[in-house]
Amino acid sequence: AQTVTQSQPEMSVQEAETVTLSCTYDTSESDYYLFWYKQPPSRQMILVIRQEAYKQQNATENRFSVNFQKAAKSFSLKISDSQLGDAAMYFCAYNTDKLIFGTGTRLQVFP
Amino acid sequence: DTAVSQTPKYLVTQMGNDKSIKCEQNLGHDTMYWYKQDSKKFLKIMFSYNNKELIINETVPNRFSPKSPDKAHLNLHINSLELGDSAVYFCASSTGQWNEAFFGQGTRLTVV
Repeated sequence: AQTVTQSQPEMSVQEAETVTLSCTYDTSESDYYLFWYKQPPSRQMILVIRQEAYKQQNATENRFSVNFQKAAKSFSLKISDSQLGDAAMYFCAYNTDKLIFGTGTRLQVFP
Repeated sequence: DTAVSQTPKYLVTQMGNDKSIKCEQNLGHDTMYWYKQDSKKFLKIMFSYNNKELIINETVPNRFSPKSPDKAHLNLHINSLELGDSAVYFCASSTGQWNEAFFGQGTRLTVV
């Protein structure tokens, strides 16, 4: 069975600092996609970043970057220069024929 | 110009009632989904449609019936509502099974 594990229920970071959210997954597939979604208090699910499994290069989107380790089935999200608006639930997701989500990490950002 | 829109945003109803949630996407996507987010924030897929055809039906009670009149719309009808149905229901769409999903704003269903 395909599973996604986020082992950090909560994380906190000081404004302007860097934080890394962990995600591991289990699959027997060789081709798949990985995503990080952000869910602020507004409830809206917002795509933060995506990674194709066949690409060795780690994806980056402005202050957000991933560390994708395919052999270790690890997909962590690094947020640099954290801002107050980054405070949210972050979900890691794995996709073959459907999105499978992790249990989420609540990120708090302190001024 | 909302890409994926759901109505209503909030729904409070009594046990035993029947209710519907509507979803429309204007992204031209072929695939649409319903997800359920429980009180612990866990998101789980319920259904997936591709061009109006049901392709994924997870273990969901028969009281839940999705309907896709065209590929831009995917509605969710729930019969005989139970307390345990209280959750946030998200509609989403994508260009295909490999791609990211775009989500609606969610419908918070409260069964009392």
